[in-house]
Amino acid sequence: DTAVSQTPKYLVTQMGNDKSIKCEQNLGHDTMYWYKQDSKKFLKIMFSYNNKELIINETVPNRFSPKSPDKAHLNLHINSLELGDSAVYFCASSQREGNQPQHFGDGTRLSIL
Amino acid sequence: AQSVAQPEDQVNVAEGNPLTVKCTYSVSGNPYLFWYVQYPNRGLQFLLKYITGDNLVKGSYGFEAEFNKSQTSFHLKKPSALVSDSALYFCAVRDGEYGGATNKLIFGTGTLLAVQP
Repeated sequence: DTAVSQTPKYLVTQMGNDKSIKCEQNLGHDTMYWYKQDSKKFLKIMFSYNNKELIINETVPNRFSPKSPDKAHLNLHINSLELGDSAVYFCASSQREGNQPQHFGDGTRLSIL
Repeated sequence: AQSVAQPEDQVNVAEGNPLTVKCTYSVSGNPYLFWYVQYPNRGLQFLLKYITGDNLVKGSYGFEAEFNKSQTSFHLKKPSALVSDSALYFCAVRDGEYGGATNKLIFGTGTLLAVQP
């Protein structure tokens, strides 16, 4: 009964390619997030959606475009991949209220050759 | 703007001994504080939170944390460490004054806990 699931788990591709990561949650949450964890394990939020509406949009390059077809799904599309995009990308979900914990997927490890 | 600091990159403790992982925070309003644990190749798992009420909060796997407003700290503790507790621990804070989805959860840099048998 995976609560937050991401696909693929590993993504190895070349510079300049376009790739997508998918995320689905079955917890009934109305808010979903994308985080980037770098090689030093530092975790930073990229985007947040609430009921399909973009709420948080950090200073992320325009090459990154999130899409939320419904409140249970949040996908991340990345254009023109660069070496610096290599990282682990985590999807998370929570209820809207700020006192509720976030639930994380197991991450997508993106490696750019 | 809120921030959170975890001053120790790594904490080493012998199995059976008590452990403490330190966290200090800075927010404008009332803090909502969280601890998460990350095992290798896994996502973050929620351990416990402080929102309001008793300063000592208990969470999963025998962990607890003490909220100290005067010292702006929220240290994670466990009376007796297990080898299986070895993992990366993250403290996180959100400003409760402005709650809701638009208010970001800010994570510390993480502390690696190593429990020796």
